Amino acid sequence: EAQVTQNPRYLITVTGKKLTVTCSQNMNHEYMSWYRQDPGLGLRQIYYSMNVEVTDKGDVPEGYKVSRKEKRNFPLILESPSPNQTSLYFCASSKGTSPYNEQFFGPGTRLTVL
Amino acid sequence: EDQVTQSPEALRLQEGESSSLNCSYTVSGLRGLFWYRQDPGKGPEFLFTLYSAGEEKEKERLKATLTKKESFLHITAPKPEDSATYLCAVQADNQGGKLIFGQGTELSVKP
Repeated sequence: EAQVTQNPRYLITVTGKKLTVTCSQNMNHEYMSWYRQDPGLGLRQIYYSMNVEVTDKGDVPEGYKVSRKEKRNFPLILESPSPNQTSLYFCASSKGTSPYNEQFFGPGTRLTVL
Repeated sequence: EDQVTQSPEALRLQEGESSSLNCSYTVSGLRGLFWYRQDPGKGPEFLFTLYSAGEEKEKERLKATLTKKESFLHITAPKPEDSATYLCAVQADNQGGKLIFGQGTELSVKP
């Protein structure tokens, strides 16, 4: 089944404890992206990767890192999480090197930072 | 600054009562405008991409249209299963893979 998977789905952590949220797609897509969704603010793009060689910032990259060492995986790294990073996170992928095509979203990761 | 604004924030309809959702955008040049549907607790699901003013796309009870300043998502004779949050997003020229989403319209259709 074609899909985007994220792990973990739920995570409660404490301020300053490094964490990684994994994202994997099995559709051989070039483009991958991370978003956070907060009430009243909608979906905001954190980072995107047009292919394995190109990664760039979205609108809210502060406090996050990403890595695209292989095509199928695009992990989101929080080196020192803070409470303002409590949010619902979505990973997405699309065919081609931009979101110009349909994006497929993962099921989401709900992160709480205490 | 590139911006996307959706209205209304919430819309309550009776089953069969047609209506429209609005997405206004301000970008230097539009590469594509996207509509997504999001059910509670799930990731967004793709509906349409529109590329140029005058373009229209349809899918079941939904029809999306595009002008140079805004897009409309028309819902004809909605059913309760159309209840969801509808998201609009734009990709601007010269912005690489950046995508800007509006805040969404929460649609509720009562039987």
